[in-house]
Amino acid sequence: AQKITQTQPGMFVQEKEAVTLDCTYDTSDPSYGLFWYKQPSSGEMIFLIYQGSYDQQNATEGRYSLNFQKARKSANLVISASQLGDSAMYFCAMRENGGATNKLIFGTGTLLAVQP
Amino acid sequence: DADVTQTPRNRITKTEKRIMLECSQTKGHDRMYWYRQDPGLGLRLIYYSFDVKDINKGEISDGYSVSRQAQAKFSLSLESAIPNQTALYFCATSDLLSGGDTQYFGPGTRLTVL
Repeated sequence: AQKITQTQPGMFVQEKEAVTLDCTYDTSDPSYGLFWYKQPSSGEMIFLIYQGSYDQQNATEGRYSLNFQKARKSANLVISASQLGDSAMYFCAMRENGGATNKLIFGTGTLLAVQP
Repeated sequence: DADVTQTPRNRITKTEKRIMLECSQTKGHDRMYWYRQDPGLGLRLIYYSFDVKDINKGEISDGYSVSRQAQAKFSLSLESAIPNQTALYFCATSDLLSGGDTQYFGPGTRLTVL
C-alpha cells in the first residue's frame, strides 16, 4: 500500500497567488515526521519544511507552511505569494520513528509551474 | 561552499565496469545515506550509516556496496554496473539531535550505464 500519496501530478499557479500541494500518508506508528522537499530542474533536493507528529502547531518556514491534519492523515504544503522560482517538482516524505532505518518514504511528487 | 558534496556530478560508464560515487559533508552529521531516484518512483534507500562503524542495507542494496571512510565521507560502489542502475543518485546526511533528524541532500550524481 502507498504510504505517501500525492494525487496531483502537475499544477499551474499564477505568480503572486497561493497554492496548496496535497499529501496524504498512511502509518500505524504513533511517532513520525513529515517533510517537504523541492527539486528544481537542476536536480538537487532542497529541504523545505518539517512537521513532527506530536507538534501542536503547524510548521511554517517563510512562505511555506504545512497544513497538518492528523486525523485525516494529511500534510499539505501551502506556498504563499508564488514566485517564478517556485517552479519545480515537490516531494512529500515521511519517516516512521519506530522503524530501524530512519529512511524517508517519498511520494511520487507534484510538478508545479508558476505562470507570470 | 555546499555542505554536502557529491563527485562526480555526471558519469557515463559501460556495463560491467566498476564505479564509485563519493559523498563528503561538512555539516558534522553522524548519519549518512545513499538513495537512488528513478522517474516516477521517487527516492529509494540503498544503504545507510549511523556512524563510522555502522553500515546497514536499505530496501534496494543488491548490486551496491558502501564504505564509510570517516564521519564526513560515505562512498557508494557499483561492482559491476548494469543498465538498470542508470539513475540519479543522492547522498544525504542527518543529525539525530537537530531538526527532527531532517535529511539534507547533496546535489546528486547522474549515472548512465550503457
